[in-house]
Amino acid sequence: GQNIDQPTEMTATEGAIVQINCTYQTSGFNGLFWYQQHAGEAPTFLSYNVLDGLEEKGRFSSFLSRSKGYSYLLLKELQMKDSASYLCAVPVPSGGSYIPTFGRGTSLIVHP
Amino acid sequence: SAVISQKPSRDICQRGTSLTIQCQVDSQVTMMFWYRQQPGQSLTLIATANQGSEATYESGFVIDKFPISRPNLTFSTLTVSNMSPEDSSIYLCSVEVPGLETQYFGPGTRLLVL
Repeated sequence: GQNIDQPTEMTATEGAIVQINCTYQTSGFNGLFWYQQHAGEAPTFLSYNVLDGLEEKGRFSSFLSRSKGYSYLLLKELQMKDSASYLCAVPVPSGGSYIPTFGRGTSLIVHP
Repeated sequence: SAVISQKPSRDICQRGTSLTIQCQVDSQVTMMFWYRQQPGQSLTLIATANQGSEATYESGFVIDKFPISRPNLTFSTLTVSNMSPEDSSIYLCSVEVPGLETQYFGPGTRLLVL
């Protein structure tokens, strides 16, 4: 089975740094994704981690520890437009393929 | 990347009717996914649609309620049958592009059932 946990809501100040955590349990690991979803829009891809460590991509970085079943998304120099829901997703093995499964999402509110 | 379009973008429907949502991709893909996202919730996978085979439905979703077609590698439809207000949701089509470790999402179809 699989279980993906992330905080429901976080708030932060413009210009600050915020870390959104995600823990998961899966019977077969095939990478972890982070998506950003603005209200009323479709999710957009942010990052994909399959190996342990930190992947940096501009203001956004994503970290993975496979042994701990843990990932985080780090957002630096927060901007108001970063207010969105951040979804952690793990492909779960099913019938010879992998089915993408999403966490409930973390709603990030950035205030001035 | 992949460019995905969905039609309609939104609709308001009466209870008991059915709506078919279309998903078109600009490249050939093997796996297409249909998700539902209810207000304030995350994405719930309805089914996986592979070309040339029956769709695979997740727990809680059945073919009679959500029939799916996948006639070729660039197109799929999802029908929401005998609708009730509980079906009011955003329905999203998604694809997995071979060689790229990510999913791409369509813009979604916002459905309101009265």
